[in-house]
Amino acid sequence: DAKTTQPPSMDCAEGRAANLPCNHSTISGNEYVYWYRQIHSQGPQYIIHGLKNNETNEMASLIITEDRKSSTLILPHATLRDTAVYYCIVRVGGDKIIFGKGTRLHILP
Amino acid sequence: GAGVSQSPRYKVAKRGQDVALRCDPISGHVSLFWYQQALGQGPEFLTYFQNEAQLDKSGLPSDRFFAERPEGSVSTLKIQRTQQEDSAVYLCASSLGGRDYEQYFGPGTRLTVT
Repeated sequence: DAKTTQPPSMDCAEGRAANLPCNHSTISGNEYVYWYRQIHSQGPQYIIHGLKNNETNEMASLIITEDRKSSTLILPHATLRDTAVYYCIVRVGGDKIIFGKGTRLHILP
Repeated sequence: GAGVSQSPRYKVAKRGQDVALRCDPISGHVSLFWYQQALGQGPEFLTYFQNEAQLDKSGLPSDRFFAERPEGSVSTLKIQRTQQEDSAVYLCASSLGGRDYEQYFGPGTRLTVT
């Protein structure tokens, strides 16, 4: 079973920041938080990952709480192309990915 | 650069037929994974190779499913005597291997068993 809990769907207005929450209360000390997204009819795409510090790259920011039991993926300026299913995953790096159902993000024009 | 490629992109098989799905990983990637994604669900792990060694096949749903990667690069997922419940998208992913490396996914093969 997936070790994370995410809302099934969210809406966000185009141009605004999209904040996607994820709970992972049973995360182990050596497990990373990974985020992938899957645009319709494509394979999943890696977005970002982190262990305990906040991370930022050209796609998104990842905010992890101090107790590591939850995190938030932030897309700073959402566009219509960000419409996708977003998966929050906890795993030991290099291991297989156990996907949950993810959050279906709708970007509204 | 070239990403992970899969062929065919679409396959229709009659129940009972055998099918073979091919994955070409990114050159130099040590690890290769196969996943199965049913309609409306997240991908589910099938099997994992490190080079030519199949290190984990715990996700293969039955002995009708077989995967190989004989030279440590291209991989083939074979399904014998296909059943309707095998209809799904089959995704392949590769990574450099080791800790802290993300997986790069191919576009998938959509298998429809009629």
